[in-house]
This record gives sequence, structure tokens and C-alpha cells, in this order.
Amino acid sequence: KAGVTQTPRYLIKTRGQQVTLSCSPISGHRSVSWYQQTPGQGLQFLFEYFSETQRNKGNFPGRFSGRQFSNSRSEMNVSTLELGDSALYLCASSLEAGARGDTQYFGPGTRLTVL
Amino acid sequence: AQRVTQPEKLLSVFKGAPVELKCNYSYSGSPELFWYVQYSRQRLQLLLRHISRESIKGFTADLNKGETSFHLKKPFAQEEDSAMYYCALQGANTGFQKLVFGTGTRLLVSP
Repeated sequence: KAGVTQTPRYLIKTRGQQVTLSCSPISGHRSVSWYQQTPGQGLQFLFEYFSETQRNKGNFPGRFSGRQFSNSRSEMNVSTLELGDSALYLCASSLEAGARGDTQYFGPGTRLTVL
Repeated sequence: AQRVTQPEKLLSVFKGAPVELKCNYSYSGSPELFWYVQYSRQRLQLLLRHISRESIKGFTADLNKGETSFHLKKPFAQEEDSAMYYCALQGANTGFQKLVFGTGTRLLVSP
């Protein structure tokens, strides 16, 4: 089975712009989660989608949003980019939401640099 | 609040030495605990989880609810164990798909 894929792998934007990142989960996985990884804050949960519905949200401003499509693929969008949004954005998929101990499989990440 | 603490940023050992990566957590209830590993230029991947009580690549971790700890241990470190290790928890209080990560410990195994 192919693993979780994320596109693009690298992205450079300037302050004020917006960006859309894409994630394709493992075939058959219905839950997609997003994380932000920075040297200062580490790995922080952004949000989780299951069956096209956002089921959980982390403590991030409304500039961060996402969605999930009927084929379980997910996108996250960041509007009005700030320098502090520079980070590695990781996507993870799992079979289903709410399953105790369900393993999450991570993608390689999208490295976003905001200038 | 749910929190995971990994007190060591860097742990440096020699090949063949025992390794213990510390992890303490704060959670009301019964969380699921995990260790994730990230090798150089590779994606984050699950190493082991307490619910499985398994040993992966010689690593084990025991959940100590009294001390709220989930330390990762290996009796004899290998050079290929050099990587970034993250302890994480999830549970009903956070939503089962939300992983709360510690800040990570870099393990460096020297020959």
C-alpha cells in the first residue's frame, strides 16, 4: 500500500499570502489529521477530519482551516500568512476516528517558508 | 490539561550501552501512550504503543500509572538507533485522533 502523500513538499510564500496544502491518506483510511512542527513549539495538533467533517480542532487561529473530500483526501489552508507560520506541516491518516489506540501514519510533510 | 514531558533534549550513548528515554505525562483518565521515531530524512513513524505490549527493534516501554511515566528502554544501543524520539498520548479527553506530543529527545549512538 502506498503511504500518506503530501503535496507540495516545499513551498515559499511571502507574508500576507495564502497557501493550500494537500494530503492523500492511505487507501481505505478515513481519518486525516494535521500537525504543525516547529523547532520552538514542537509537534502541535491542528485539526482532524473524518467523513468530510471536522471532529477535533487544536488551538490555532481561524486563519488555519481545512477540509476533507469524499475520497478522504484533505487540504489545509492558511490565509494571511505570517512569518511564524513557517513550519513543517504533517498529515497523518488512520483507519477510523474514535478508535482507541488507532495507529496514525504520517506523511513526509510540506515545508512552508514564509518570507 | 494534557501534557507530555520529555526532559532530555539530547541523549548521547556509546554502542552497546543501555538506553532509557524518559517520558512523563499529565492526563485525567486512562490515556493511550505511544513512542514515535523519526530517523534522518525519514517520516515520523510509530515505534510502539503501550496497548500492544510489544518489543520493537529491541525497545520496550512500560506504562507506570502511579508515576505517570512511559519510559522507553533498550538494553544495548545500536548506531542505527540514532534518531529523534517522541513520546505521545491520546485519549477520550482529547479526542482519540489527537496526539499530544512531547518535545522529543534526540538519541545519538556513537561507535
